[in-house]
Order: sequence, then structure tokens, then C-alpha cells
Amino acid sequence: EPEVTQTPSHQVTQMGQEVILRCVPISNHLYFYWYRQILGQKVEFLVSFYNNEISEKSEIFDDQFSVERPDGSNFTLKIRSTKLEDSAMYFCASNEYSNQPQHFGDGTRLSIL
Amino acid sequence: AQTVTQSQPEMSVQEAETVTLSCTYDTSENNYYLFWYKQPPSRQMILVIRQEAYKQQNATENRFSVNFQKAAKSFSLKISDSQLGDTAMYFCAFTPNNAGNMLTFGGGTRLMVKP
Repeated sequence: EPEVTQTPSHQVTQMGQEVILRCVPISNHLYFYWYRQILGQKVEFLVSFYNNEISEKSEIFDDQFSVERPDGSNFTLKIRSTKLEDSAMYFCASNEYSNQPQHFGDGTRLSIL
Repeated sequence: AQTVTQSQPEMSVQEAETVTLSCTYDTSENNYYLFWYKQPPSRQMILVIRQEAYKQQNATENRFSVNFQKAAKSFSLKISDSQLGDTAMYFCAFTPNNAGNMLTFGGGTRLMVKP
């Protein structure tokens, strides 16, 4: 069964540095999402992406964050000038149509030192 | 804004027994979808079951079934004949039926199936 894949599985970065988290959604899916889960807290929506543009974003997704689909397969989340509170699991998800269940990747654990 | 609440942070059940996980939500939407996702330790989130709000019939998927009470805004998950592989975090999630379709998650319930 096709899967959403995320790399790296664990990223350690110094505070203030930029980090790029990568995702390869399922190939025929058209809608892409990023979520994060701070340790011990709820999974929180960050952003949804369709037709090469952001369709919805949460209050968390401020100017520090950006998303991109640089080619036909990758979907990236960039975090500029990372802060300690950005430490979390980041999940990528995708679906073929917006009302279909979202398929999740394994997540990237981001640790900011 | 929508909220999803899972009031049981942890639960345990003996293998082969039945367990019910609770979920309540709050929304002003009339048409929406509800999901239960399972997250085994160090693994990705896997869809367990899906319910469309306009359908009165409760969804079932093998050993998994839901009790959807739209008026009460309740969406509980029943796992029958629990298996060791059911040990995981279980998340209840909500999405309105519109573009963007962000998922709003509950806080999760950690289920331990004991042999």
C-alpha cells in the first residue's frame, strides 16, 4: 500500500538555524498538510496546500514557516530562525480529495538546542 | 472553532475483552466527518474508522465500531475482541466538509491491551 514518507526521522538543530522538513505524499494525492505535536500535547494543524498554494493555515503558521512543492513529488516545510518551542513531532499528511481520510507519514522529530 | 475532547488519557483492557474509548466534540457545522486514528509506538498514524455526520448508521470496520450520537456530539470507539496489536494511542479527529479540511484532534487516549 502506498505510504507518505518523511525525512529525516529525527532532526537536531541549533536555535536560530533554519530547518527543512521533507515529505513525499502519495503520488496521486492532491491535498497536502502539515501538523505538529509538541510532546505531551495535542496534534495541531499547521497548514494545508492544494494546487500549488496554501488553502488554509492556523495561527501557529506565522511568517517563520513556509511550505513548498519544489517538484512533482516533494512537499517541504521550512522553519526559519528556529526557537526552542519549535521542538515537536511534525507530521505530513495527504489525501486524494479533500473529503477523504488523510494518510499520515511517520513524522519527523525536531529537536531545537 | 471546533474542539475535540477525549476524557480518558489512559485505558487498559484484557486481551479478547471489549473496550470503549470516548470522544466528544463541539461545532456549529452541520456537515462534517469524524475519524479515529491509531498511532502505535513510534509508528505513523493509521486511520481506524470514519463517520460522515449526515449518515445515521454507525460505521463499523471489522472489530472496530463507533457509537455516533450527533445530537449529543459524541463519537465513541468500541474495540471488540481486543488484541495485543491494538496497543496504541488513539486519536479522535474532526473535519468540516469544506475546502482545506484541516483535522482537529483530541488529546488522545493511550490504550494498553494486557495478555
